[in-house]
Amino acid sequence: GNSVTQMEGPVTLSEEAFLTINCTYTATGYPSLFWYVQYPGEGLQLLLKATKADDKGSNKGFEATYRKETTSFHLEKGSVQVSDSAVYFCALEGGNNRKLIWGLGTSLAVNP
Amino acid sequence: DGGITQSPKYLFRKEGQNVTLSCEQNLNHDAMYWYRQDPGQGLRLIYYSQIVNDFQKGDIAEGYSVSREKKESFPLTVTSAQKNPTAFYLCASGTAEAFFGQGTRLTVV
Repeated sequence: GNSVTQMEGPVTLSEEAFLTINCTYTATGYPSLFWYVQYPGEGLQLLLKATKADDKGSNKGFEATYRKETTSFHLEKGSVQVSDSAVYFCALEGGNNRKLIWGLGTSLAVNP
Repeated sequence: DGGITQSPKYLFRKEGQNVTLSCEQNLNHDAMYWYRQDPGQGLRLIYYSQIVNDFQKGDIAEGYSVSREKKESFPLTVTSAQKNPTAFYLCASGTAEAFFGQGTRLTVV
């Protein structure tokens, strides 16, 4: 069945450092892929998405490219800020009922 | 503004009591979901509904019940049969792309 594997955290960076959070998937067909962000004590918000191979999703300086050949959707940001401290979830649209399949989340802490 | 609203934000329950968490959306979405989130863990699906008057169990449905009498509403009842109910509960709506509420933090006292 469809599944998502996300790198384990926590990830701790200094402000202005480069961020990569790895996400790989297993799926039949070509599902849409998503990154969600959860700030402390809140619900999840959609950060970016990609709906087909080679698509690049981007938002708030974050980017991720749908790589069919490596079944990956890694999240990157060139220069993180303290305000980026949150938990990041990778997800894919799964199966006929189209409910999302979730990674376990990666906690990011950015220090000033 | 369209959105999804969960209430209350914090909820305290005595052991042995049932408690109902509210979830309302005005996004005209057919699909709605309930997730449970424990500290340091990912999202676990409790129940989901793809259309009014229909719902399916997710991965951890035991001790929970839901109803879907209206498109806008998908309340979750945490029953006394749920042995470890203290958690953060998230409601979402949408097909493929999910929109989340702000969550309800349930604590058993």
